Amino acid sequence: RKEVEQDPGPFNVPEGATVAFNCTYSNSASQSFFWYRQDCRKEPKLLMSVYSSGNEDGRFTAQLNRASQYISLLIRDSKLSDSATYLCVVPQRGGYNKLIFGAGTRLAVHP
Amino acid sequence: GAGVSQSPRYKVAKRGQDVALRCDPISGHVSLFWYQQALGQGPEFLTYFQNEAQLDKSGLPSDRFFAERPEGSVSTLKIQRTQQEDSAVYLCASSLERGGTEAFFGQGTRLTVV
Repeated sequence: RKEVEQDPGPFNVPEGATVAFNCTYSNSASQSFFWYRQDCRKEPKLLMSVYSSGNEDGRFTAQLNRASQYISLLIRDSKLSDSATYLCVVPQRGGYNKLIFGAGTRLAVHP
Repeated sequence: GAGVSQSPRYKVAKRGQDVALRCDPISGHVSLFWYQQALGQGPEFLTYFQNEAQLDKSGLPSDRFFAERPEGSVSTLKIQRTQQEDSAVYLCASSLERGGTEAFFGQGTRLTVV
């Protein structure tokens, strides 16, 4: 089993839709989690951090379920500019935060 | 700029050729990571430096891959005798602290082995 698993998508949604992605992880010792966004042929950039039960930033909400070992990302009122790949990231603890990435979920928002 | 800089942006190498990829992290960042990203996949960890010390090289796929950061700033990833399966985007990231959270990525070097 991979350490971080995501549904690759693609998720094709109309503007204004609400869309949710899930990510499961295997390392139960992980304490913090991240969602990174990667545009086509660009580098990953931090979107949100998730430290406890969840985090909300405008249209984006990230939630953590430790018992089931999954993290979710909810995007409300989707914009065309939200089209990207969303990478779930779990630091592997061991003296430093080695970031373990999922394969990413592709989102395409259409008019 | 103040971000992570990688060079070259694109590299085409003939199979068997040696290549060197450079990463200039954000000034003062202690941690430096190298990742390999194949098409349609997430970044895969290669190696980690804390200042000049290479503390984790568990992700390097073979002994043809070598990385260094001799003065604790600029890092070089070297691939000897390149193979077609080495074709990927190589991403460098840096973070401020040893246990730092947010990692800032460079734009990557796209390596194509022909």
